[in-house]
Amino acid sequence: RKEVEQDPGPFNVPEGATVAFNCTYSNSASQSFFWYRQDCRKEPKLLMSVYSSGNEDGRFTAQLNRASQYISLLIRDSKLSDSATYLCVVNQGNTGKLIFGQGTTLQVKP
Amino acid sequence: DAMVIQNPRYQVTQFGKPVTLSCSQTLNHNVMYWYQQKSSQAPKLLFHYYDKDFNNEADTPDNFQSRRPNTSFCFLDIRSPGLGDAAMYLCATSTRTSGIYEQYFGPGTRLTVT
Repeated sequence: RKEVEQDPGPFNVPEGATVAFNCTYSNSASQSFFWYRQDCRKEPKLLMSVYSSGNEDGRFTAQLNRASQYISLLIRDSKLSDSATYLCVVNQGNTGKLIFGQGTTLQVKP
Repeated sequence: DAMVIQNPRYQVTQFGKPVTLSCSQTLNHNVMYWYQQKSSQAPKLLFHYYDKDFNNEADTPDNFQSRRPNTSFCFLDIRSPGLGDAAMYLCATSTRTSGIYEQYFGPGTRLTVT
C-alpha cells in the first residue's frame, strides 16, 4: 500500500463546477498535511496547509479527518486557470520529510 | 523575488559525463532537499540536510552525491549520468514554523542525457 494515495484522474469539469479531491495516508503518526499545485513542467507550489479544524482560502477548502486518515480538497467555481495537477502531501511522522501522492490531474474546460 | 534559485534551468550532459546542479536560497531555512521527478510521477526524495546533517534515502543510487557548504547553497552531483537519470531535479527548503515544515521549491533543473 502506498503511503499517500490519490485518485490520479483526470478530472474533466466545466468552468464554474465544484470539484473535490480525496487523499488517504497510511502513517497515523503524520502531523502535517498539505496540498500542492503543480503546473506542467513547473515546480510544485504550496496551495494550502491543512489544519485539523479544516481551513478555507477563497474558493479552496481543505479538510482533514485524522480518524479515517483522509484529506480532501474542494474547489468551488472552477476557473480555467485551476487546471493543474494537485498533489496531496503528508509529512513522515513528525519530521521534515514529506511524502507525495502521485497527484490528481484537473482539467477545467470552457 | 526568487527565494529558491536553481541553476542551470536546463542542463544537457553526455552519458557518463559528470554534472553538477546547484541550488541557493534566500530564506535562511535550515533544511534543504533534493528531489528527482520524472514525467507523470510524484517527486522522489533523494536526500536532505538538516543544517549540515546529511540524510540519504535508502534507494538513492550511489551515483548521486550532494554537498552543502553553507546554509544558502546545496549541490547535487551526478557522477556518471545514465539515460535513466534524465528528469527534473527539484531543490526545496523548509524550516519548522509553528510545529510544521512547509517546503518551498525552486523552479527545477531539467536534465537531458544524450
